[in-house]
Amino acid sequence: GAVVSQHPSWVICKSGTSVKIECRSLDFQATTMFWYRQFPKQSLMLMATSNEGSKATYEQGVEKDKFLINHASLTLSTLTVTSAHPEDSSFYICSAQRGGGSSYEQYFGPGTRLTVT
Amino acid sequence: AQRVTQPEKLLSVFKGAPVELKCNYSYSGSPELFWYVQYSRQRLQLLLRHISRESIKGFTADLNKGETSFHLKKPFAQEEDSAMYYCALKGTYKYIFGTGTRLKVLA
Repeated sequence: GAVVSQHPSWVICKSGTSVKIECRSLDFQATTMFWYRQFPKQSLMLMATSNEGSKATYEQGVEKDKFLINHASLTLSTLTVTSAHPEDSSFYICSAQRGGGSSYEQYFGPGTRLTVT
Repeated sequence: AQRVTQPEKLLSVFKGAPVELKCNYSYSGSPELFWYVQYSRQRLQLLLRHISRESIKGFTADLNKGETSFHLKKPFAQEEDSAMYYCALKGTYKYIFGTGTRLKVLA
């Protein structure tokens, strides 16, 4: 199977600090990973597409300097929430894409709950 | 434009009643569609895909190209079906998700 992990699963930080969330594909290589944000009982919002070895592609309205994405290897992408504020509190979910062309598959991590106090 | 629409935010049904979660899409080309489910405090997981034409947990979904729909159906809802359901379209380079429908199955 294809497994995607996230670390940490839950983090609490103080306002003004930065938090890093890791997304790993455990048993496959992922040239592309995606970061989503999910508010309580609401839908997924795609934040950005993370491409290994290149800059991430951000969706409209997502601050690049606020949400730093680094895809340093084929199995790891990180999302850093810089200078976090309480409104950044949310559930962050990553997914990793396996394969390419028209035959790609997408697998989701378990999510990371961020609480900013 | 590539788009997925789920018109219902919340759907409440009684246990044993039929369920239909609506999904409409916009896509130029041959679409590939999926239903994902997210149970409380769990990760998003694939429920079914139209290509495999399978039935998972009693759910089925048929792709109707004429109506550009991919509605999810189950003849008899169970309490454990209560969850968030997302319809997704495989786009050119990324999945496109609908806004989701929360299904509540009442005892």
